[in-house]
Amino acid sequence: QKEVEQNSGPLSVPEGAIASLNCTYSDRGSQSFFWYRQYSGKSPELIMFIYSNGDKEDGRFTAQLNKASQYVSLLIRDSQPSDSATYLCAVNNRGTGNQFYFGTGTSLTVIP
Amino acid sequence: ETGVTQSPTHLIKTRGQQVTLRCSSQSGHNTVSWYQQALGQGPQFIFQYYREEENGRGNFPPRFSGLQFPNYSSELNVNALELDDSALYLCASSPDPGIRNEQFFGPGTRLTVL
Repeated sequence: QKEVEQNSGPLSVPEGAIASLNCTYSDRGSQSFFWYRQYSGKSPELIMFIYSNGDKEDGRFTAQLNKASQYVSLLIRDSQPSDSATYLCAVNNRGTGNQFYFGTGTSLTVIP
Repeated sequence: ETGVTQSPTHLIKTRGQQVTLRCSSQSGHNTVSWYQQALGQGPQFIFQYYREEENGRGNFPPRFSGLQFPNYSSELNVNALELDDSALYLCASSPDPGIRNEQFFGPGTRLTVL
């Protein structure tokens, strides 16, 4: 079992729609959760981070964390063609030797 | 732009050689992490340095080693290069290794091993 699992996609949504990206993790002791966006040929760019159960909103982005279900998601409202990228979920457990795990990413295409 | 810089941008080496990659962290950040990203995969955590000490290590062999300097810049050294070491190497800096440990990535170094 991988530490972080994401649906590789591709996920296609029309412009203006809501894109929903999901991630599950196996280490129940994970404390910090991150979403990164990576354009082809570029390095990952931090979009959101969340530490507590519930929702966290930042502009068009909402991160949702459910530690009991070991599940974290990212919602992108009013999707734009410029949102087309690979979205990486990452988790950190500072307790067990401070490990960081990334998923393999979900490819999102926003269709104009 | 995150303010994290890496050098060189690209590098070609042959199997068995040694390589050193460099990273300058964002101003105000004292923690640097290194990742290896193969094509089509997510980044894999190599190790993290906090105030010049290793502060966590992923599942990489000892031939991957690192340093952090007093100005918080860092080096990644890889000895006895193998073909599978070909990848994008990413450096990320963060303000501290505590709970607010969001990481900001540099542009990466593309290493090709022939």
